[in-house]
Amino acid sequence: AQSVTQPDIHITVSEGASLELRCNYSYGATPYLFWYVQSPGQGLQLLLKYFSGDTLVQGIKGFEAEFKRSQSSFNLRKPSVHWSDAAEYFCAVGAGNQFYFGTGTSLTVIP
Amino acid sequence: EPEVTQTPSHQVTQMGQEVILRCVPISNHLYFYWYRQILGQKVEFLVSFYNNEISEKSEIFDDQFSVERPDGSNFTLKIRSTKLEDSAMYFCARRTSGANVLTFGAGSRLTVL
Repeated sequence: AQSVTQPDIHITVSEGASLELRCNYSYGATPYLFWYVQSPGQGLQLLLKYFSGDTLVQGIKGFEAEFKRSQSSFNLRKPSVHWSDAAEYFCAVGAGNQFYFGTGTSLTVIP
Repeated sequence: EPEVTQTPSHQVTQMGQEVILRCVPISNHLYFYWYRQILGQKVEFLVSFYNNEISEKSEIFDDQFSVERPDGSNFTLKIRSTKLEDSAMYFCARRTSGANVLTFGAGSRLTVL
């Protein structure tokens, strides 16, 4: 069965520091992979997606993610975090017409 | 492409009451989905809808839930008799046929007292 695991429930980083949010998935075929961000009281906004090709994908707001098939991972990174990046981040797998979400990682940014 | 607009943004209701959440506008060539997110928990799939039919539904989507297009434009999620545990954020999302990206609305927060 398809599943998405985000092992970090909550992460705190200092503004300007680098960030990596982990995501592992379980899926039998090549997945479609996504990262979404949810600001307080808002819907989910697509940050980036991986369908095929280059395993390092660039997204909005300076985020990138790397697909590693051998590790079944799709970690999200940002070299320098801004205070406005504080939000909930969700990793998701697309399988056919269905999408499976992880439990999310809450990011706190401290000055 | 049309954005996904959800109404109401917040609804408070008494346990046992019926609630209708709306998702507008809608196109004939899109998949639509309803997800819910209980406070502090993950985003859970409820149901997908395509060509006026339910495409898939989760075990959460029991007999108290229904989806329909009452006037050919709105896409609604109805909860017949709300329970306390139905308190959650409900998200509508669209997917263009042939594409594999979900676009979400801002959500409708349901509070059941």
